[in-house]
Amino acid sequence: DVKVTQSSRYLVKRTGEKVFLECVQDMDHENMFWYRQDPGLGLRLIYFSYDVKMKEKGDIPEGYSVSREKKERFSLILESASTNQTSMYLCASSSPHWDGYGYTFGSGTRLTIV
Amino acid sequence: AQSVTQPDIHITVSEGASLELRCNYSYGATPYLFWYVQSPGQGLQLLLKYFSGDTLVQGIKGFEAEFKRSQSSFNLRKPSVHWSDAAEYFCAVATNTGNQFYFGTGTSLTVIP
Repeated sequence: DVKVTQSSRYLVKRTGEKVFLECVQDMDHENMFWYRQDPGLGLRLIYFSYDVKMKEKGDIPEGYSVSREKKERFSLILESASTNQTSMYLCASSSPHWDGYGYTFGSGTRLTIV
Repeated sequence: AQSVTQPDIHITVSEGASLELRCNYSYGATPYLFWYVQSPGQGLQLLLKYFSGDTLVQGIKGFEAEFKRSQSSFNLRKPSVHWSDAAEYFCAVATNTGNQFYFGTGTSLTVIP
């Protein structure tokens, strides 16, 4: 089974801190994605990457950046955390070769900014 | 532009009753359609998917979904709901390359004994 691992299930950080959320997948997938999930808003795409060193903005990139130095790891960075970034963050990966499995999601990181 | 609409924000059903969750999509080409389930505090798990062929697809946990091109719908059904089915359900459409998905806003299911 494809496994997508997010390093923290729960995280509490202070306003203004630089926050790193880590995501690692073990199936050699080229595509990786970061979403945030908020009640009533569903999943909103923050950033995605189709290859190492490659990144594309999603629908809500403001206040975030990403890093993909290795194929298996995709990091989301909150440059200066603010309370409106308190949310559930979900990482996903997929193969571009349309293997039919769609996205595989990590378990999520519940981030609270105080 | 691609989009997915789940018109029901929240649904409550009794255990043992039947269930139908609605999903409508907007996509110019042949859609690739998915249903995911999210238990509290968890990530999303794939329930079932439709790519082509038989328009009635079977998934895990006794769920099925029917693709109706004329109605642009992909509704999820289960004949008899169990208490463990209480969760958030997301419908999604993928581009024909599979590189990007578009999600609905989700339907929260409550099951009462």
